[in-house]
Amino acid sequence: EIVLTQSPATLSLSPGERAFLSCRASQSVTSSYLAWYQHKPGQAPRLLIYAASNRATGIPERFSGSGSGSDFILTISRLEPEDVAVYFCQHYDASMGTFGQGTKVEIK
Amino acid sequence: QVQVVQSGAEVKKPGASVKVSCRVSGHSLTEVSMHWVRLAPGKGFEWMGGFDPDEGETVYAQKFQGRVTVTEDTYTGTAYMEMSSLRSEDTAVYYCATFRSLLSGVRFDPWGQGTLVTVSS
Repeated sequence: EIVLTQSPATLSLSPGERAFLSCRASQSVTSSYLAWYQHKPGQAPRLLIYAASNRATGIPERFSGSGSGSDFILTISRLEPEDVAVYFCQHYDASMGTFGQGTKVEIK
Repeated sequence: QVQVVQSGAEVKKPGASVKVSCRVSGHSLTEVSMHWVRLAPGKGFEWMGGFDPDEGETVYAQKFQGRVTVTEDTYTGTAYMEMSSLRSEDTAVYYCATFRSLLSGVRFDPWGQGTLVTVSS
């Protein structure tokens, strides 16, 4: 079973700063099966990035994904107040899904 | 465009069963399939299972095998997740999520708004 480990657990930055969120898989995975989501309290999770680096429809350009193998990064180029949320990575392959435990992004 | 609306909150006693529904519009359930994910207090998201069109069958996380049943009514466009033998640790928000397995990649999009299931005596 693939385990996704995200770091840091919490990220506190000022508006306009760049945020780097890490997602590390316990073994090498196919990039096509790696996605990132944003979750705000009381709302449905929202797809940000699929296939590791493809921005979903309607997602602002400040969100980008990169990586391959077992190391993946979600970058928020210029943090805005509405980006306060929990971000989590997700993998699905061979009839099994798994989620990272999430990174909470806060504004200083 | 797919839209997903889930049934309302439930309160159940330990040992009981719960059935959560997920109404899909904008696409037929013959074109998309629904998976179920839960978020328990203080925990991360947990994938439970759903119909995998590439496998042609419903698949489950090992943890939920035998206790969770996912079904779909293509006529009404409604997906269901039924969990039996509920215990307090099953208290969580349960989400249905639209499973997309395309050449461009696999993802869940969109998600339902979530259904709070509280298990308490």
